Amino acid sequence: AQRVTQPEKLLSVFKGAPVELKCNYSYSGSPELFWYVQYSRQRLQLLLRHISRESIKGFTADLNKGETSFHLKKPFAQEEDSAMYYCALRGGGFKTIFGAGTRLFVKA
Amino acid sequence: GAGVSQSPRYKVAKRGQDVALRCDPISGHVSLFWYQQALGQGPEFLTYFQNEAQLDKSGLPSDRFFAERPEGSVSTLKIQRTQQEDSAVYLCASSFRDRRNTEAFFGQGTRLTVV
Repeated sequence: AQRVTQPEKLLSVFKGAPVELKCNYSYSGSPELFWYVQYSRQRLQLLLRHISRESIKGFTADLNKGETSFHLKKPFAQEEDSAMYYCALRGGGFKTIFGAGTRLFVKA
Repeated sequence: GAGVSQSPRYKVAKRGQDVALRCDPISGHVSLFWYQQALGQGPEFLTYFQNEAQLDKSGLPSDRFFAERPEGSVSTLKIQRTQQEDSAVYLCASSFRDRRNTEAFFGQGTRLTVV
């Protein structure tokens, strides 16, 4: 079965501190993995995808197939990073499976 | 339009009432998805359209849920005889095509409250 687990509902860090949002997945094949972000009163939007191996707004995420993880990292958190973050997986079909989300709160 | 548009933004329905939720995808987008997001949860897949064809409806929770996209653009999600457990935010997303890693753009959602 396809499943995405985000173990932390809430993560609170100070501005300038490193941040890591955890994501583990369950899928037997080669998944597509994504991070989506939802800022306050805005719509859900794509942050980054594993295939692009890109850094967006200072965030990176590396797919670790051995640990079935796709953690989101940023070395220095900013207040504007405060938002809801969702890890998502797409297997061979059309549906995308989302985790329950982690709320990141960056304190001044 | 500037993005995916959903209407209404908020809907309050009495239990047993039928509701219809509308999604206007980005013009030219082939793929259209509906998701249900309960409070405190991530979005859960309901159904997928490629143009007017409904290729996957495995996520629809019961036969009270029905979705259509008759002309391959606007889509409507209909819920018959609403129940309290149907209360959620219903999200629509569209993408230009259905290829690996094609970005899906989400609407603002319709918040349905069944009382």
